Amino acid sequence: AQSVSQHNHHVILSEAASLELGCNYSYGGTVNLFWYVQYPGQHLQLLLKYFSGDPLVKGIKGFEAEFIKSKFSFNLRKPSVQWSDTAEYFCAVIPNYGQNFVFGPGTRLSVLP
Amino acid sequence: GAGVSQSPRYKVTKRGQDVALRCDPISGHVSLYWYRQALGQGPEFLTYFNYEAQQDKSGLPNDRFSAERPEGSISTLTIQRTEQRDSAMYRCASSLESGNRAGDYGYTFGSGTRLTVV
Repeated sequence: AQSVSQHNHHVILSEAASLELGCNYSYGGTVNLFWYVQYPGQHLQLLLKYFSGDPLVKGIKGFEAEFIKSKFSFNLRKPSVQWSDTAEYFCAVIPNYGQNFVFGPGTRLSVLP
Repeated sequence: GAGVSQSPRYKVTKRGQDVALRCDPISGHVSLYWYRQALGQGPEFLTYFNYEAQQDKSGLPNDRFSAERPEGSISTLTIQRTEQRDSAMYRCASSLESGNRAGDYGYTFGSGTRLTVV
């Protein structure tokens, strides 16, 4: 069965620190990859997605992610976090022929002012 | 509407009661998905519609769960004889396209319905 793992359950950073959230998936074929963010009290919003092409994908709010096929990874990065980045972050995978997401368990990010 | 609308936002029900959760997708969106998210976990796929046709219900945990989308727009997820383990956030998402093209156009998630079974 396809699965998505996220390395950290809860990450705590100070403002201006750099962020990297790990994501690995188990599916062996072609996949579409996503990072979603859920701010407190709000719904899931798309941060960025990768379908093909340049493995370094830039998203909204200064986030980027790098797809490394050999490692089955799609790690999320941001060079300098802000307090407003406090949220829960979900990595998700859709096989190229499929329809539904397989989500990771999420990583809660707390940024201290 | 401008976004995916789910109602109610919060539902508290007694064990054994039936509940119906509603999803109103973005107008014109072809595909509609239901997910369940337990506390501390990522969303888990339940079922998926293209127009009014239920394409995949493999994620429904048991026969107490059912979903319909009779006119290809609004969808209802029904849970019969609720149990405490059904407590979760139920999320709906829709996309303009279907199948593997849905990701090209993106998915929009609703705010979810928080179900608590007491």
